[in-house]
Amino acid sequence: GQQLNQSPQSMFIQEGEDVSMNCTSSSIFNTWLWYKQDPGEGPVLLIALYKAGELTSNGRLTAQFGITRKDSFLNISASIPSDVGIYFCAGWPGGGSQGNLIFGKGTKLSVKP
Amino acid sequence: KAGVTQTPRYLIKTRGQQVTLSCSPISGHRSVSWYQQTPGQGLQFLFEYFSETQRNKGNFPGRFSGRQFSNSRSEMNVSTLELGDSALYLCASSLELVTEAFFGQGTRLTVV
Repeated sequence: GQQLNQSPQSMFIQEGEDVSMNCTSSSIFNTWLWYKQDPGEGPVLLIALYKAGELTSNGRLTAQFGITRKDSFLNISASIPSDVGIYFCAGWPGGGSQGNLIFGKGTKLSVKP
Repeated sequence: KAGVTQTPRYLIKTRGQQVTLSCSPISGHRSVSWYQQTPGQGLQFLFEYFSETQRNKGNFPGRFSGRQFSNSRSEMNVSTLELGDSALYLCASSLELVTEAFFGQGTRLTVV
């Protein structure tokens, strides 16, 4: 089945640093989503991308839909302690009403004040 | 606008029992998907319902089932519980297609 490779698995950074993470796949996707999950809570949608090459920002977060449609990137600028959590990428293969979201394994972000 | 609501938040069940979890989607959303999340396997897709019909199904045994009502609320049922069913069960709703899915807080199921 389709799989997403998300990297890195974990990151330990200093407050104020920028963060980059990415997801790659051997298959193409029509939509890329980025979520953040805090312990014991459900994932919260951060950014949705619908078009190859699209670059979208949400505050200090910026995500890009790769031009090959097989990858996506998330950047967080000037990290703060509340950025701590697990970030997931998700891809939707499309095909009309068929297909479900495929999730990466997540990137665990730790921020040292 | 209220978000996705899942009940209960926590459940403890014994092996062999069955359990029913409930999900109320965002008003106007017609698609409801269910996921199982475990530390080892991550987020795994269970099934998706749209207009009371199962539209997509993941690779889980038949012990896992679901349904959707005419008001788009959904339930999932797990019969003959096993220890390995202990997980966070997440429900997500979206308007029509599963893109831009919004998650509930989840139900933490512990099987003892």
